[in-house]
Amino acid sequence: AQSVTQLDSQVPVFEEAPVELRCNYSSSVSVYLFWYVQYPNQGLQLLLKYLSGSTLVKGINGFEAEFNKSQTSFHLRKPSVHISDTAEYFCAVGGGGGFKTIFGAGTRLFVKA
Amino acid sequence: EAGVVQSPRYKIIEKKQPVAFWCNPISGHNTLYWYLQNLGQGPELLIRYENEEAVDDSQLPKDRFSAERLKGVDSTLKIQPAELGDSAVYLCASSLASANEQFFGPGTRLTVL
Repeated sequence: AQSVTQLDSQVPVFEEAPVELRCNYSSSVSVYLFWYVQYPNQGLQLLLKYLSGSTLVKGINGFEAEFNKSQTSFHLRKPSVHISDTAEYFCAVGGGGGFKTIFGAGTRLFVKA
Repeated sequence: EAGVVQSPRYKIIEKKQPVAFWCNPISGHNTLYWYLQNLGQGPELLIRYENEEAVDDSQLPKDRFSAERLKGVDSTLKIQPAELGDSAVYLCASSLASANEQFFGPGTRLTVL
């Protein structure tokens, strides 16, 4: 079975500061890993994904994540956040074929001026 | 290119009433998903379609929930009768059959009084 744990439910940070949103997963098979962002009253939008290859993945809006197989982690980072980054961020794990995608509970990023 | 379309965006009903949600996926996307998202939580899969076939409906409460995707394009999710605990956001997503990135609609926010 697959599972995802987002270690922080809320992360407050000042504008232009760096941020890291933590995600750990468990799976008995090879996984695909995703980060999605959800703005208020909107659906989820893909930020980035890891399927294979380089463990450092770059996404949209200046975000990046690093896949660490030994620590079963896929933390999301941004070196300098903006007010507009305030949103809910979801880590997800899935697999090819028939495996379903499992979402974490989400981390609310709140960027303060 | 149009994204995933859902309607209505908001629905308020009294308990024991029926309700239906509609989703039109991105053109060419064979896989369609219905998710339930409770407040402060990540999406939870209700049902997944490959074309017109429901390939994973293990989490769909079949005593009151039903879904269909008759022509393998748009889909309808129905609840009859609705209960207070069904109040949530219902998200529809679609993807190419062989890919793992999902594209989400804006969701339908259901309130059961």
